[in-house]
Amino acid sequence: QVQLMQSGAEVRKPGASVKVSCRASGYIFDTFDINWVRQATGQGLEFMGYMKPDSGESGSAQKFQGRLTMTRDTSTNTAYMDLSSLSFDDTAVYFCARKRFGEGMDVWGQGTTVTVSS
Amino acid sequence: DVQMTQSPSSLSASVGDRVTITCRASQDISNYLAWYQQNPGKVPRLLIDVASTLQPGVPSRFSGSAFGTVFILTISSLQPEDVATYYCQKYDRAPLTFGGGTKVEIK
Repeated sequence: QVQLMQSGAEVRKPGASVKVSCRASGYIFDTFDINWVRQATGQGLEFMGYMKPDSGESGSAQKFQGRLTMTRDTSTNTAYMDLSSLSFDDTAVYFCARKRFGEGMDVWGQGTTVTVSS
Repeated sequence: DVQMTQSPSSLSASVGDRVTITCRASQDISNYLAWYQQNPGKVPRLLIDVASTLQPGVPSRFSGSAFGTVFILTISSLQPEDVATYYCQKYDRAPLTFGGGTKVEIK
């Protein structure tokens, strides 16, 4: 079945970077954008950015520009989200979700908890 | 950037009640509007996109409508399993901003 499987929980110190993976299965990887959304505890959903697996084109929300990098490996159908210069405010659950033009985000990964702690 | 203002932030209603949630866009987004349901500790679930297209498997008591830049999610008869937080999201172009969410509880 269609699935997005994310990597496991991470703990980082302030100032460090974290890389989360999102492996797609059950569909043609190139045909859907991969989006990244995060959610701090008790807070709402926050869009971070998107990546187009066919071209590698990506775009991020303004607040993440300069420290968010989204890449992919088409040989393994895996998307990656790399967030640098972490602060305590980056502690959250990070989700990947697929989406194609004109439609909503219909399949989500299970979420990856990133904790920033000294 | 387009702002998405969702109201109310929370509501409490009885089983069988009709519930409406409103989402206002600060600019025209055509009908590129999605609604998601998120149960506590769970992954968001797409309910509706293109403002009013119900996703497969979503109960027919859920419906979406659009009036210019105002979008409405309606639950025609609230059920206990509908207790969740609901989010709207605009997706005409990046950033794909979410509304602040509406927490729905049973009275």
